[in-house]
Amino acid sequence: EIVLTQSPATLSLSPGERATLSCRASESISINLAWYQQKPGQAPRLLIYDASDRATDIPARFSGSGSGTDFTLTISSLEPEDFAVYFCQQRSDWPLTFGQGTRLDIK
Amino acid sequence: EVQLVESGGGLVQPGGSLRLSCVVSGLAFGSSDMGWVRQAPGKGLEWVAAITSASESSRHADSVRGRFIISRDNSKNTLFLQMNSLRSDDTAIYYCAKGHFRWAFDFWGRGTVVTVS
Repeated sequence: EIVLTQSPATLSLSPGERATLSCRASESISINLAWYQQKPGQAPRLLIYDASDRATDIPARFSGSGSGTDFTLTISSLEPEDFAVYFCQQRSDWPLTFGQGTRLDIK
Repeated sequence: EVQLVESGGGLVQPGGSLRLSCVVSGLAFGSSDMGWVRQAPGKGLEWVAAITSASESSRHADSVRGRFIISRDNSKNTLFLQMNSLRSDDTAIYYCAKGHFRWAFDFWGRGTVVTVS
């Protein structure tokens, strides 16, 4: 199965700062990668699909990039509501797999 | 408004069975691929099963294959997960989710809790 490794495990930043989250695949997945945000007690929310396409109603401060094995989610200027856990997910091959998550904490 | 509402979770003994349901409204269910994703307490997300819009194809994770079966009834806008031979490591919140461009997931329910103990 395709293993997704997210880094860092935890990222501590302040509102207004730029956040850069990484997801690395164990083999090439082209652009078949999605990013989700999850807040405590809530279901995940799709942010980005196909590596760089924003989902409906997702603010422009969220952007995704990458292809092949290396992917990045960037939040250009953190808002208080952005502090959450972020997961990547590949849809290139079965089984569908998720990364282990990056927790974005308020510094 | 799109709504996915799961039900059927609960406490069950090891070896027992449960049937989860997910009623969908506000979108074209019959044209939507669907899936189940679970999250063990304090852990990450794990894909469980997926099914195409007209049930022509379904897939299951290795961890549940032979024990869980995904199905759907398009006439009732409902997705199902039949869970047999449950084990303690099946304890999790089970989310149903709508497939997006096969297979990200763009709409999610709030989840139903399954506890095997």
